[in-house]
Amino acid sequence: GNSVTQMEGPVTLSEEAFLTINCTYTATGYPSLFWYVQYPGEGLQLLLKATKADDKGSNKGFEATYRKETTSFHLEKGSVQVSDSAVYFCALKRPNDYKLSFGAGTTVTVRA
Amino acid sequence: DGGITQSPKYLFRKEGQNVTLSCEQNLNHDAMYWYRQDPGQGLRLIYYSQIVNDFQKGDIAEGYSVSREKKESFPLTVTSAQKNPTAFYLCASSMGLSASGGRAETQYFGPGTRLLVL
Repeated sequence: GNSVTQMEGPVTLSEEAFLTINCTYTATGYPSLFWYVQYPGEGLQLLLKATKADDKGSNKGFEATYRKETTSFHLEKGSVQVSDSAVYFCALKRPNDYKLSFGAGTTVTVRA
Repeated sequence: DGGITQSPKYLFRKEGQNVTLSCEQNLNHDAMYWYRQDPGQGLRLIYYSQIVNDFQKGDIAEGYSVSREKKESFPLTVTSAQKNPTAFYLCASSMGLSASGGRAETQYFGPGTRLLVL
């Protein structure tokens, strides 16, 4: 079946540090891949997505590249801010399938 | 403003009581979903609906029920059969497979309802 594995948190960084959150997946076919962000007490917001191999999704300084050969979709940001403190979820969805499969989430705390 | 609204923000359930969580969207989306989030875990799918008057069980449907009488609304009932209902419940919607040509359409999430047991 489909599954997503994220690096375990929590992750604590200083402002302006480089952030990487690893995400690998298992799926048949060619899934689409997503990163969602959840701020405290809120629902999930789509951060970025990629629908085919070698696509790069980007938004708000975050980037992730769909790597078919390593079945990965790692999230990166070059210089984090306190406002980036949140829980980040990696997810996948197969074509012609309604279900999103989520990773367990990675809690990121950025200190001033 | 287009979006998804969920109410209430907090809900308290007594033993043996059924409670209903509201989800409304004005995005004209065909598909709607209910997820459950527990601390330190990812989201798990409870039910989803592809079209009005139709819905399917997700991975953890036991103890829950839904209806889809209107395109805009997809209420979730947590029944007394759900023995561990304390969680954060998230509703989502998307265009639907037919509208997106079978490719990955984005799911948009509401702000969530936190259910607590008294």
